[in-house]
Amino acid sequence: DAKTTQPPSMDCAEGRAANLPCNHSTISGNEYVYWYRQIHSQGPQYIIHGLKNNETNEMASLIITEDRKSSTLILPHATLRDTAVYYCIVRPLNTNAGKSTFGDGTTLTVKP
Amino acid sequence: DAGVTQSPTHLIKTRGQQVTLRCSPKSGHDTVSWYQQALGQGPQFIFQYYEEEERQRGNFPDRFSGHQFPNYSSELNVNALLLGDSALYLCASSLITVDEQFFGPGTRLTVL
Repeated sequence: DAKTTQPPSMDCAEGRAANLPCNHSTISGNEYVYWYRQIHSQGPQYIIHGLKNNETNEMASLIITEDRKSSTLILPHATLRDTAVYYCIVRPLNTNAGKSTFGDGTTLTVKP
Repeated sequence: DAGVTQSPTHLIKTRGQQVTLRCSPKSGHDTVSWYQQALGQGPQFIFQYYEEEERQRGNFPDRFSGHQFPNYSSELNVNALLLGDSALYLCASSLITVDEQFFGPGTRLTVL
């Protein structure tokens, strides 16, 4: 699985959009971009995933660059409860979800 | 519908001892993966079980072993504990045919 690079930490004001970047320059053609988050003392929680088109769900939006070498997770209206560590992962779709390679993620702190 | 459950929540052992951690997957799931998460780091994949067999394995020594039962629940066993085995151990379940995994809250293991 391709490796990812994320900034170690970011701050965001409550109610503003949080934009979390991820670099995955060695991504292969069959690898998807996944995002998870981990709130303190809990297990990671799936947020969203995509291949090359932008994706949106009730939690977030995922913007993937045309060359697929980087992506951005957008939380449109961050709340204090969005404070967590956010992980960006790349892996093929059909290896089954099990073997995910997590980096150290980005610690997002949402401030009042 | 219960999510992924793990037991115990916390555990303290001494060096050289053996430990068994337990995981019950989300209802309807047939695949269980185990991860080790050291403090301040992302989860590291240990292994995955499906149909009571180990399907994939990460870079962990043979001291780490597992088992999956006919009801899909799973155990993680660690022998000859080292101080470095102190970590949060996460279980994640999924369906072999569906590409999304759900994590449990984890077991915090402390080795003294």
